[in-house]
Amino acid sequence: GQNIDQPTEMTATEGAIVQINCTYQTSGFNGLFWYQQHAGEAPTFLSYNVLDGLEEKGRFSSFLSRSKGYSYLLLKELQMKDSASYLCAVSGDSNYQLIWGAGTKLIIKP
Amino acid sequence: GAGVSQSPSNKVTEKGKDVELRCDPISGHTALYWYRQSLGQGLEFLIYFQGNSAPDKSGLPSDRFSAERTGGSVSTLTIQRTQQEDSAVYLCASSETSGGAYEQYFGPGTRLTVT
Repeated sequence: GQNIDQPTEMTATEGAIVQINCTYQTSGFNGLFWYQQHAGEAPTFLSYNVLDGLEEKGRFSSFLSRSKGYSYLLLKELQMKDSASYLCAVSGDSNYQLIWGAGTKLIIKP
Repeated sequence: GAGVSQSPSNKVTEKGKDVELRCDPISGHTALYWYRQSLGQGLEFLIYFQGNSAPDKSGLPSDRFSAERTGGSVSTLTIQRTQQEDSAVYLCASSETSGGAYEQYFGPGTRLTVT
């Protein structure tokens, strides 16, 4: 079957760095997405990786290893507003349907 | 430009009643998706439209659920004879077209509560 695993919850301190991992097992691979979802709001796009390596975008970076079926989202200089759920989603064999992880709830403490 | 809009934002209904949820995608986006999200859970795929066609309805939980899209734009998700287990946030998303590389833009969702 197809599966995406993420930690359920993580806690980090304001100003620090946190890494949220995502492992996947899918039929085919056409890219991996990270979305941010604040409580009570819709998910918003953060990043897309289709090739191995690190993509940096400001305080956020996303890494992909296709051979290991593994990605991580790295958040630097954490701010209180980064408290949210982070969803990992994979585009597999289907040319339209994303396979979604359950999300990682990130709690930032002062 | 305008993003994806959904209405109503909140809906409380009695068990057994029918409800209609509306989604207005970003203009020009040909692909439209409906998801369901229960509290603290991930996204559950319901149905996908490419234009007005729904090639995949496999995610619809039961035959009480149906959806249509007209004019390649607005979509309506209808739930007949609602049950308490239908209570969730229903999210709509659109993308330029289908395909793995295309970002999905989400609407704010409709929170459905069945009493």
